[in-house]
Amino acid sequence: GAVVSQHPSWVICKSGTSVKIECRSLDFQATTMFWYRQFPKQSLMLMATSNEGSKATYEQGVEKDKFLINHASLTLSTLTVTSAHPEDSSFYICSAREFSNQPQHFGDGTRLSIL
Amino acid sequence: AQSVTQPDIHITVSEGASLELRCNYSYGATPYLFWYVQSPGQGLQLLLKYFSGDTLVQGIKGFEAEFKRSQSSFNLRKPSVHWSDAAEYFCALWNAGNMLTFGGGTRLMVKP
Repeated sequence: GAVVSQHPSWVICKSGTSVKIECRSLDFQATTMFWYRQFPKQSLMLMATSNEGSKATYEQGVEKDKFLINHASLTLSTLTVTSAHPEDSSFYICSAREFSNQPQHFGDGTRLSIL
Repeated sequence: AQSVTQPDIHITVSEGASLELRCNYSYGATPYLFWYVQSPGQGLQLLLKYFSGDTLVQGIKGFEAEFKRSQSSFNLRKPSVHWSDAAEYFCALWNAGNMLTFGGGTRLMVKP
């Protein structure tokens, strides 16, 4: 149980394109979802926390207009990287949990490469 | 504030040798601790977790970890390493709320 699916697993696109990444909880209702970014050979850095039906809470230094997060249902959150540039290339990982007293379950990540 | 430190950025061991990856934490209350493994280009796989109870926890793939409150440590061990264990390992601390803090990771390389 507690499976989190991310799609796509890898995307390559031109600079200036907007890219949408989906995070789905397959067998539970995710009241809270988290988005992380991981640079090569580094640890995971929390970007934002989203609760279903509410606006996401962004960590300091993360541009909310650049990284649009939508959590419109209990099983789906999306991260849209708007007008992506090469510096946005990274590994993005989502996680989800059902209740606040439960740990997070991680997706397999999305590798974003901007040319 | 909470923090997690993994002192060793890289570790190389020979196949069949024992392994210990260090993790130290700083937290003002009882910590919930995790070890994850990440293969290149992959997501995180949970190896084991400590919430309470027995301080020696068993995980998947033959890994175990011991919680030592007096040393603020949660070191990961494996008695005999396999070549397939080569990966990045992350220790993480959860505050039972919204905050999951990761250590910097330890890259394990296995020599044949």
